Amino acid sequence: GAGVSQSPSNKVTEKGKDVELRCDPISGHTALYWYRQSLGQGLEFLIYFQGNSAPDKSGLPSDRFSAERTGGSVSTLTIQRTQQEDSAVYLCASSLTVMNTEAFFGQGTRLTVV
Amino acid sequence: AQTVTQSQPEMSVQEAETVTLSCTYDTSENNYYLFWYKQPPSRQMILVIRQEAYKQQNATENRFSVNFQKAAKSFSLKISDSQLGDTAMYFCAFTNTGNQFYFGTGTSLTVIP
Repeated sequence: GAGVSQSPSNKVTEKGKDVELRCDPISGHTALYWYRQSLGQGLEFLIYFQGNSAPDKSGLPSDRFSAERTGGSVSTLTIQRTQQEDSAVYLCASSLTVMNTEAFFGQGTRLTVV
Repeated sequence: AQTVTQSQPEMSVQEAETVTLSCTYDTSENNYYLFWYKQPPSRQMILVIRQEAYKQQNATENRFSVNFQKAAKSFSLKISDSQLGDTAMYFCAFTNTGNQFYFGTGTSLTVIP
């Protein structure tokens, strides 16, 4: 695609429910990143993929968070048993390769847990 | 550990004037990349400018330029002839491997007509 696409744009969910956030990277980009941006905060690194592999999962805040990437393209970030502190904007970015270093961002998913 | 610090949470500038946003970082690496990203209300993070640490020449992109001081670990962004469309959050970011980008907490810039 022309840019990084994320869906949904906004999501309101009840505490305790599971949510899935989707990211479609730019076609041909092998590296994909997930970040979390809380109100008034910078970007918190969650996880990155090189192809379908996630070498570094240390940024995931708890075991309720998981992510996968299939076919070297679409990625989903899943949050189980959501809590109010999970409310944030979740940003996805992709780059041509991990070493390319120029990351292109999507518009994010604003998650609100009520 | 890599850290990025932006000490100015909010700034404002008159339209057509010049403003400088500060950023410092901490790393033990010698080769790395620095970036300034702009995030307007649409939430889309847009790359404004980037600098390779091995290049001594400061990067410039039209009205945007940086003052990169490697020894001081400082990477400030200068916006000349500020325009209303420059109103946004600006994030300074760092990476050495491309595996992870480290971001500052951002500076909210308002351009006043």
